[in-house]
Parts: sequence; structure tokens; C-alpha cells
Amino acid sequence: QITLKESGPTLVKPTQTLTLTCTFSGFSLSTGGVGVGWIRQPPGKALEWLALVFWDDDKRYSPSLKSRLTITKDTSKNQVVLTMTNMDPVDTATYYCAKWFGGFDPWGQGTLVTVSS
Amino acid sequence: QSALTQPPSASGSPGQSVTISCTGTSSDVGGYNYVSWYQQHPGKAPKLMIYEVTKRPSGVPDRFSGSRSGNTASLTVSGLQAEDEADYYCSSYAGNYNFGVFGGGTKLTVL
Repeated sequence: QITLKESGPTLVKPTQTLTLTCTFSGFSLSTGGVGVGWIRQPPGKALEWLALVFWDDDKRYSPSLKSRLTITKDTSKNQVVLTMTNMDPVDTATYYCAKWFGGFDPWGQGTLVTVSS
Repeated sequence: QSALTQPPSASGSPGQSVTISCTGTSSDVGGYNYVSWYQQHPGKAPKLMIYEVTKRPSGVPDRFSGSRSGNTASLTVSGLQAEDEADYYCSSYAGNYNFGVFGGGTKLTVL
């Protein structure tokens, strides 16, 4: 059974850096073709893809957020970490991580991050 | 504004079929075979329903099917059931520079 779970702060202040961790089980990020991605969803709004790291450490970022995002993987710990700098209230959203193999499946339960002073 | 265009709403009666469209460009939907569809119930995480344009993950009912014509992909739900009422999002690979784009979502109502 494949599971993913997001963890990190639920509240961050404007200008702070957000660090989220995705801890997964049931698959290896060393397997060819596999990736883990981050997707967010502001309250009542659509999904937005943020970043993805592949088994070979190839990394992809949303062009509009690239300057603020960093994604890393720790294969030995089965974790993927996303950092987002200079947080703003518009970044308030539920942040999901998901396994990629032709599509995002499965997804973690998501974690709501609120940006407020 | 989302990169892929979906109708904001769709509806059908139980037992009927409904098709949701997802329009992109030759740089995403029309250019690659990595179009996927996700179902999201309120308060829940999205669930993959279709991947690589037409493939269905194990466990997804065969009432759900995907297709593509040019730069427009479609999700068809046949034999509508009450539990199909949800938001549906399409997504596409969009090249090395912009790996993934989503549509704005379609709220499917079962009348």
C-alpha cells in the first residue's frame, strides 16, 4: 500500500520561509520513472502544480514560482522536502504531495498552511 | 487564470452520460500523452481517474473514460451515479520548462 503524508507548520508569517516534508511509504524514489510532486489548492480554488523531483534527482518547478521554490529528496528516509520563501497571504492553501508515474497517484491528505501576521 | 480551460459546471441525471472537456494547446494537451483527470470530493484529496489520456488506474470503474481530439481532452462518465458528484480537474505535461498544468476544475452535479 502506497501512502504519503505532508507535515509542516500550519501558520506562517508573511516574508517567512515555509518548509514542508512529504514522508512516503510503499514505493522507492530510486525506481526509474518515479517522482514525487507538490500541488497546492487555495480555499475554494483550483489545483496548482508547484514542483516535482524524479528518481534521478531531476527537478522541475512551476515557472511562476521557480525563484521561491526548492525541492529536495532523501531517498534513505523516504522523504521529499519543499521550501517556499517569502510567503504571502495569497500563498494560503492546502498543500499536497503525490507520487508521479504518468499521473499523480496517490495523494497525501494535504496540509492547510495559513499565511498571516 | 488556469492554463487549461474547463467548463465550470456540468450536470446529468442518474444513469445518463456526461462529458467534461479540457482545452489546452499543442504545447500541452495536444503535444504529449500525459493528460490526466482527477476527482475531488469536498474536503478530500484528489483521486486519479484517468492517466496518459485514456488509461484507467486499477479500482476506477470503467464508467470513466478519457479521450483526446487535437488540443482538447475529454472525460466521459457513463451511467452517472450519485457518488460521481464531485469536482473534476484535468492536468497535462507541458514540456521541460513547465512540467504540469491544471485546469480550473469542473463541478459535476448529479441531478
